[in-house]
Amino acid sequence: GENVEQHPSTLSVQEGDSAVIKCTYSDSASNYFPWYKQELGKRPQLIIDIRSNVGEKKDQRIAVTLNKTAKHFSLHITETQPEDSAVYFCAARVGNAGNMLTFGGGTRLMVKP
Amino acid sequence: GAVVSQHPSWVICKSGTSVKIECRSLDFQATTMFWYRQFPKQSLMLMATSNEGSKATYEQGVEKDKFLINHASLTLSTLTVTSAHPEDSSFYICSASRAARSNEQFFGPGTRLTVL
Repeated sequence: GENVEQHPSTLSVQEGDSAVIKCTYSDSASNYFPWYKQELGKRPQLIIDIRSNVGEKKDQRIAVTLNKTAKHFSLHITETQPEDSAVYFCAARVGNAGNMLTFGGGTRLMVKP
Repeated sequence: GAVVSQHPSWVICKSGTSVKIECRSLDFQATTMFWYRQFPKQSLMLMATSNEGSKATYEQGVEKDKFLINHASLTLSTLTVTSAHPEDSSFYICSASRAARSNEQFFGPGTRLTVL
């Protein structure tokens, strides 16, 4: 089945700096890649997603890039703010596996004021 | 739109008892619901996928007789942890998707289970 690896597991940045989180996936049939933000004890919230027919997508300070050939995708957060501090999860969905998502291990992002 | 609720939000029970967790899609019909377990500081691990009116599909290593899933309607799925033990203590989260070809999963707020 699909395997998703996420790096780094923790990331500390200064407020205003950029943060980049990277994920790799194993199944070339994966066609949907969402990113979730989870605050402690709360539900994961979708922050951005990308489909396999697109190489890049941007929404204000957040962007995601996808390299299908290398089977990796990345989350970019610019001008980080303390409220960006949370755990971020990437996920991948295999096209013929219904809507089942396989999650990466998560990245704990800490933005220092 | 696309709100998913879970009940209860937390539960404490004695070892050996059973606990039922409900997952509801409040403003849409969910063709598929997913149950995840999340241990502290770890990722979401899919336990099972449930489709309305059919048996749930369990992931490898998840005991279907211990984690009973019922998806009786398009808006309700339940997870029953039978004969719970301390090692079952975890954060259980459900999610729901609107249609078979819909990309997004909408997550419930989670249920924190503590087994004494």
